[in-house]
Amino acid sequence: EADIYQTPRYLVIGTGKKITLECSQTMGHDKMYWYQQDPGMELHLIHYSYGVNSTEKGDLSSESTVSRIRTEHFPLTLESARPSHTSQYLCASSALDRLDGYTFGSGTRLTVV
Amino acid sequence: ILNVEQSPQSLHVQEGDSTNFTCSFPSSNFYALHWYRWETAKSPEALFVMTLNGDEKKKGRISATLNTKEGYSYLYIKGSQPEDSATYLCAFMEGTYKYIFGTGTRLKVLA
Repeated sequence: EADIYQTPRYLVIGTGKKITLECSQTMGHDKMYWYQQDPGMELHLIHYSYGVNSTEKGDLSSESTVSRIRTEHFPLTLESARPSHTSQYLCASSALDRLDGYTFGSGTRLTVV
Repeated sequence: ILNVEQSPQSLHVQEGDSTNFTCSFPSSNFYALHWYRWETAKSPEALFVMTLNGDEKKKGRISATLNTKEGYSYLYIKGSQPEDSATYLCAFMEGTYKYIFGTGTRLKVLA
C-alpha cells in the first residue's frame, strides 16, 4: 500500500509541451525530493523541499521547476519538454531527521518525442 | 565531493548460493547508512537503517553489517532465491544534511 503517489506512471509527449508530474504523500513528511534516474540506475537529486514554500535545486541541474504549497503535494513542471528530458523521475519523502530513510513513489517514466 | 561506491556493479548467482556486496563511504562525519532494495518496475524500499559502528541488522535471509571507522557496510544474502533479484542501493548520510546514494549492485538470482 503506497503512502506516496506519483502520476502519471508513463507519459509520452511531444516536444514543446508543458507537463506536470504529480507527487503526493500521506505520511505528513516535511521533506520531499525529486530524483532523476539515468540508465545506469544512478539517482540524481534535481529538487528538494524542507517544507511548505521551501524549494531548492539539487545536485543535478534541471530545467524543471517545483512548488510546495501544501505539505503533502510536490509537483514538478517542465514548461517546454525536450527529448533530453526523457528519463525516469522518482519522488520521495522523509521525516525531518531522515533516520528511517526515504519513502519512494513508483516513478514516472517520461518520453519526449 | 562525497563518493559512495558499491561493488560489484552487478552479479549473477545460482539459486541457493549465498552472496554479499559492499558499500564504501567516507569515514568522516558519519550519521547513518541506509540499505534499499529496488525491484524492477517498483520503487526502492528501505531495508535497513544503520547508525552505530558494529551494527548488525537482519531481516529473514538478508543481513547487513557496518564499520564506520573504515567506511564500509556489507549486505549478505543467505541462500539466494529468484525473488531476491533486485538492485540493492546504499545511501550515506553525512551529518544531517548530505544524503548520497550509491550506484547500486544489480543482483540476478538464476533458478
